[in-house]
Amino acid sequence: GDSVTQMEGPVTLSEEAFLTINCTYTATGYPSLFWYVQYPGEGLQLLLKATKADDKGSNKGFEATYRKETTSFHLEKGSVQVSDSAVYFCALSDLAGGGNKLTFGTGTQLKVEL
Amino acid sequence: EPEVTQTPSHQVTQMGQEVILRCVPISNHLYFYWYRQILGQKVEFLVSFYNNEISEKSEIFDDQFSVERPDGSNFTLKIRSTKLEDSAMYFCASGGQAYEQYFGPGTRLTVT
Repeated sequence: GDSVTQMEGPVTLSEEAFLTINCTYTATGYPSLFWYVQYPGEGLQLLLKATKADDKGSNKGFEATYRKETTSFHLEKGSVQVSDSAVYFCALSDLAGGGNKLTFGTGTQLKVEL
Repeated sequence: EPEVTQTPSHQVTQMGQEVILRCVPISNHLYFYWYRQILGQKVEFLVSFYNNEISEKSEIFDDQFSVERPDGSNFTLKIRSTKLEDSAMYFCASGGQAYEQYFGPGTRLTVT
């Protein structure tokens, strides 16, 4: 079945550091890929998405590129801020698998310190 | 900006009781979902709903669970007889297209 693997957290960075959170996936078909963010005490917010190979999703300085050859969708940001502290979830939706449910990774907690 | 809303934000119930969690999806969306997140664990799919019927459900979504869209705006999740292990955060989501889902803030369900 479909699955998503994320790097384990927590990840602790200093403000203005470069961020990479790794995400790889396994899917039956040709999935759409997503990053969701969950701030403390809040629900899930869609951060960015990519629906086909080589697409780059971007939002709020975050980027991720859909790499079919490596089945990856790594999240990057050039300069993190304290306000980016949250849990980040990689997810996929595989319409070819017969449904459009989201399959999530375990989440990676990011802590950004001054 | 339109958003998905959920009520209540926190529900405490005794084991064996029925609970109904309510969601108001974004108004022009056609696809509706429920997910849950047990504390410290990953977000898990429960059920998807489209065209007034369940389109997909997970193995978690057994006979104790049901969903309903009683009118043009609400989307509900009912748990008939709650168990301790049903304690979790329950998220509703809606989407205008099959691959896009927007989540509500969640209802924290505590079963005692």
